[in-house]
Amino acid sequence: AQSVTQLGSHVSVSEGALVLLRCNYSSSVPPYLFWYVQYPNQGLQLLLKYTSAATLVKGINGFEAEFKKSETSFHLTKPSAHMSDAAEYFCAVTGGGADGLTFGKGTHLIIQP
Amino acid sequence: GAVVSQHPSWVICKSGTSVKIECRSLDFQATTMFWYRQFPKQSLMLMATSNEGSKATYEQGVEKDKFLINHASLTLSTLTVTSAHPEDSSFYICSARAHTSGGFNEQFFGPGTRLTVL
Repeated sequence: AQSVTQLGSHVSVSEGALVLLRCNYSSSVPPYLFWYVQYPNQGLQLLLKYTSAATLVKGINGFEAEFKKSETSFHLTKPSAHMSDAAEYFCAVTGGGADGLTFGKGTHLIIQP
Repeated sequence: GAVVSQHPSWVICKSGTSVKIECRSLDFQATTMFWYRQFPKQSLMLMATSNEGSKATYEQGVEKDKFLINHASLTLSTLTVTSAHPEDSSFYICSARAHTSGGFNEQFFGPGTRLTVL
């Protein structure tokens, strides 16, 4: 079984500041981890994924995440926030390709001008 | 590549009617499709896993007789919400997993269907 905890339902940062969205997971098998972004009334867009290759994963729009097994974490970062980054972000885990994804509760990212 | 479509994108229906939502993989064959539900301002919850040619597997708490899933081909899965009630109003999102040999098979998400039951 897998679970995901996203710390902070809302995160507010200033434009140009560092973005850090936290995700911790629990998995009984080696996990596959994902970050998705969702804009209002839209579907999910994949930002990046960890599938047991490099632990530092680079995604789209300048985002990256680091898989830390010892900390069971997969935090999402971006060096400089842009107004267009304001959205809902979901961390998700699965134990394998045949399984559905287990999502965290989401973090709403607010960008202050 | 790896595009998944859903139809309709939104639907409004009266209480007691049934609604069918289609999920199609446009440029790949999907041996497995997943259906998720997202209530307003909440996360996505997996409802069921659908494998082509076999019965769907439902998550605990999801009524299989209410949410009928058919995965008759490698590119199409349908979700029918039977006798819909206002509490079924939600955003329904499907994903499709490509069939490849070896490695990790990623899921690709559709754009979602907004169901409103009056």
